[in-house]
Amino acid sequence: QVTLRESGPALVKPTQTLTLTCTFSGFSLSTSGMCVSWIRQPPGKALEWLALIDWDDDKYYSTSLKTRLTISKDTSKNQVVLTMTNMDPVDTATYYCALLSGSCYSSPFDPWGQGTLVTVSS
Amino acid sequence: AIRMTQSPSSFSASTGDRVTITCRASQGISSYLAWYQQKPGKAPKLLIYAASTLQSGVPSRFSGSGSGTDFTLTISCLQSEDFATYYCQQYYSYPTWTFGQGTKVEIK
Repeated sequence: QVTLRESGPALVKPTQTLTLTCTFSGFSLSTSGMCVSWIRQPPGKALEWLALIDWDDDKYYSTSLKTRLTISKDTSKNQVVLTMTNMDPVDTATYYCALLSGSCYSSPFDPWGQGTLVTVSS
Repeated sequence: AIRMTQSPSSFSASTGDRVTITCRASQGISSYLAWYQQKPGKAPKLLIYAASTLQSGVPSRFSGSGSGTDFTLTISCLQSEDFATYYCQQYYSYPTWTFGQGTKVEIK
C-alpha cells in the first residue's frame, strides 16, 4: 500500500524559509517512472502545482515560483523535501505531496498525502 | 501554460440528480485529463484519468468523456457522499501541470 505523509512547521514568519518533508512508503523513488510532486491549496482556493522530482533526480518547478523553490530526495530515507524561501502571507496554504507512477510524465497524481497547513504570519 | 476552465463554479443539486461538470483546456491536451474529488479538510482523490478511465474503487456512477479541449465529468445518480468539490487537471504539458478552479456541488 502506497502512503505519503507531509510534515513541517504549522507557522512560519514572513521572509523565513519553509522546509517541508514528504515521507512515503510502498514504493521506491529509485524505481524508473516514479515521481513525487508538491501541490498547494490556499484556504478556499484551487490547487496549484509547485514542483516535481523524478527517479533520475530530474527536477521541475512552477514557473512563477521557480526562484524560491528547491526540491530534493533522500532515497534511503524514502523522503522528498521541499524548501520555499522568502515566505509571505499569500503562501498560507495546505501543502500536499503526491505520487506519479508508471510513466510519471503521463500520469495523474495518485495517491496524495493528507496535507499540512502552513500559516505565514508574524 | 495551459489554462483549465471549469463550469459552473458551483451549483446545487438533489440526491438522485444527474449532474455534469465541464472542463475546457486553453489548447489541445489529447486525453491527458484527470478528475479529482475533494471533501472539506481532505486531500483530493483521483476519480478518473485519461479523460474516461475510472480509477479502481470509484463507483460506476462517475464517468468522464472528451478529448482535445473539451471534457465532462458526469455523476449519473448523485449520492449524499458525492457533495464535494471537483477539480480537473491536465497532465499533457509536462513539466507544468495545471488544475481547473474547481466546481463545488452543494445540496439543494
